[in-house]
Amino acid sequence: DVKVTQSSRYLVKRTGEKVFLECVQDMDHENMFWYRQDPGLGLRLIYFSYDVKMKEKGDIPEGYSVSREKKERFSLILESASTNQTSMYLCASSWSGFNEQFFGPGTRLTVL
Amino acid sequence: GESVGLHLPTLSVQEGDNSIINCAYSNSASDYFIWYKQESGKGPQFIIDIRSNMDKRQGQRVTVLLNKTVKHLSLQIAATQPGDSAVYFCAENIGAGGTSYGKLTFGQGTILTVHP
Repeated sequence: DVKVTQSSRYLVKRTGEKVFLECVQDMDHENMFWYRQDPGLGLRLIYFSYDVKMKEKGDIPEGYSVSREKKERFSLILESASTNQTSMYLCASSWSGFNEQFFGPGTRLTVL
Repeated sequence: GESVGLHLPTLSVQEGDNSIINCAYSNSASDYFIWYKQESGKGPQFIIDIRSNMDKRQGQRVTVLLNKTVKHLSLQIAATQPGDSAVYFCAENIGAGGTSYGKLTFGQGTILTVHP
């Protein structure tokens, strides 16, 4: 079975802190994605990566950056967390040329 | 201050009924569509997908219908069970060409509640 894991299920941080969210997949997927999910807004794409060291902005990249140094790992970074970044963050991965994405369980981040 | 979000569409059914969840998409260039189920506290899980060259696809207890003329997608769940209670998302992909890289654009979701 495809497995996508995220480093934390729940995280509480303070405004201004630097926050790292880690995602690891074990199926050798080329594509990896970071979304945030807010009530009534569905899933919104923050960043995605189609290869190691490659990244592309999604629909809402402001305030975020990403890192993909290894194929299996995709990190989302909040350089200076703000309260409006309180949200559920979902990581997903997929094979190149395929559209089905496999999701992790999510990290619920609260910024105080 | 208080943040006000959009209200998700909801569907409430009795156990054993058939459920139909609808989704409208806007991009006529979309060539692939997928339905996900998200249970409370979990990430979305794949249910079924369909390509734009098809009108209908069936899985176990689920059927997806695609009407390209009116840009409408529906998910039918037969004999709905309490375990089907979840938020259901449709998503579309514009195409594998160019730089889409399998990106999906998600709808806001529909809450399905199944009463025993």
